[in-house]
Amino acid sequence: DAGITQSPRHKVTETGTPVTLRCHQTENHRYMYWYRQDPGHGLRLIHYSYGVKDTDKGEVSDGYSVSRSKTEDFLLTLESATSSQTSVYFCANGPYGSPLHFGNGTRLTVT
Amino acid sequence: EDQVTQSPEALRLQEGESSSLNCSYTVSGLRGLFWYRQDPGKGPEFLFTLYSAGEEKEKERLKATLTKKESFLHITAPKPEDSATYLCAVQAGGETSGSRLTFGEGTQLTVNP
Repeated sequence: DAGITQSPRHKVTETGTPVTLRCHQTENHRYMYWYRQDPGHGLRLIHYSYGVKDTDKGEVSDGYSVSRSKTEDFLLTLESATSSQTSVYFCANGPYGSPLHFGNGTRLTVT
Repeated sequence: EDQVTQSPEALRLQEGESSSLNCSYTVSGLRGLFWYRQDPGKGPEFLFTLYSAGEEKEKERLKATLTKKESFLHITAPKPEDSATYLCAVQAGGETSGSRLTFGEGTQLTVNP
């Protein structure tokens, strides 16, 4: 998994609660990404980062925020979780122009 | 808007029965087309990158090809361990968008012994 650790691996939370997912990389890649994977939609980009404190939105960013205070850590926050955010979340990294490498995901269930 | 469509959604083969998976794409300024393999409960695992029409890449029983509108992943004499979901993705845009990928929904391949 190219040195990417995601935590937690599984989480169940209630509607309306805040949730933070963590992605940690052992490499020093500038670019990091958060995707969600859902049946019928495939993998969709939520947010990405192109450096410390530099982030941008992907195609499904509503309801999510991210932060990157250190090169190695990229956090995804659901400010107020909804059932539609039940999904599997993947973090990825990789140099510009190169293939992305993915972590093993966080399965989030919002009840 | 970049679009990637994979077919079929699911494919069941007998061991040794060769076949192909299709990935058709619409993208403005293709920088690369990627194939990934995903096993249940795991993240996608990189297989190939193709950059220009006519390019081919091979790895064991897998061969990926690229035209201006689609890519094929050919599986020759598959084995049960080739069972997985195969994902296709395209990369477009300049450096400010990084290596962001647009994925298809995948083809779930099952190879029976």
